[in-house]
Amino acid sequence: EPEVTQTPSHQVTQMGQEVILRCVPISNHLYFYWYRQILGQKVEFLVSFYNNEISEKSEIFDDQFSVERPDGSNFTLKIRSTKLEDSAMYFCASSQQGNTEAFFGQGTRLTVV
Amino acid sequence: AQRVTQPEKLLSVFKGAPVELKCNYSYSGSPELFWYVQYSRQRLQLLLRHISRESIKGFTADLNKGETSFHLKKPFAQEEDSAMYYCALRVYSNYQLIWGAGTKLIIKP
Repeated sequence: EPEVTQTPSHQVTQMGQEVILRCVPISNHLYFYWYRQILGQKVEFLVSFYNNEISEKSEIFDDQFSVERPDGSNFTLKIRSTKLEDSAMYFCASSQQGNTEAFFGQGTRLTVV
Repeated sequence: AQRVTQPEKLLSVFKGAPVELKCNYSYSGSPELFWYVQYSRQRLQLLLRHISRESIKGFTADLNKGETSFHLKKPFAQEEDSAMYYCALRVYSNYQLIWGAGTKLIIKP
């Protein structure tokens, strides 16, 4: 069964450093998403991506964040200058259409020290 | 404002007992609601969506628009049901999911 794959599973970075979280969505899916979950808090929407552009972003997704689909398979989330409060589990998801089931990756735990 | 509330952080029941995980929502439009489950060390996976009206792994959930609720129920809990359960609302205009805080369900033997 096809799955959404995220790498790495755990990333530790120093405050102020750039990080790139990688995701390989399911191959025939057209909609891609990033969510995050700070420890002990709710899962929060960050951004959705369709047709090679951002379709929606939340207030959390400020200028420090960017997403890219550099080739036909990868979908990346970049945080330019990490802050302590960026420490969270980051989930990538994809869906065939916007109104169909979203499939989630295993998550990347980002720890900013 | 769009909001999903799961009032119980933790629910612990004995095997064979009925289970009800509560979910209430606030949304001005026509809601589309989901239950996701996360077993230990596994990814979030869809359990139920209200429009399909299915029973999955013995779980059911009925959308009650009058009470703005979408409670998850199972008549006889099994140990393998132990997991984290999240209720989520999909916003029609942009397809993003609004999540509840989650309920950790523990089934005691």
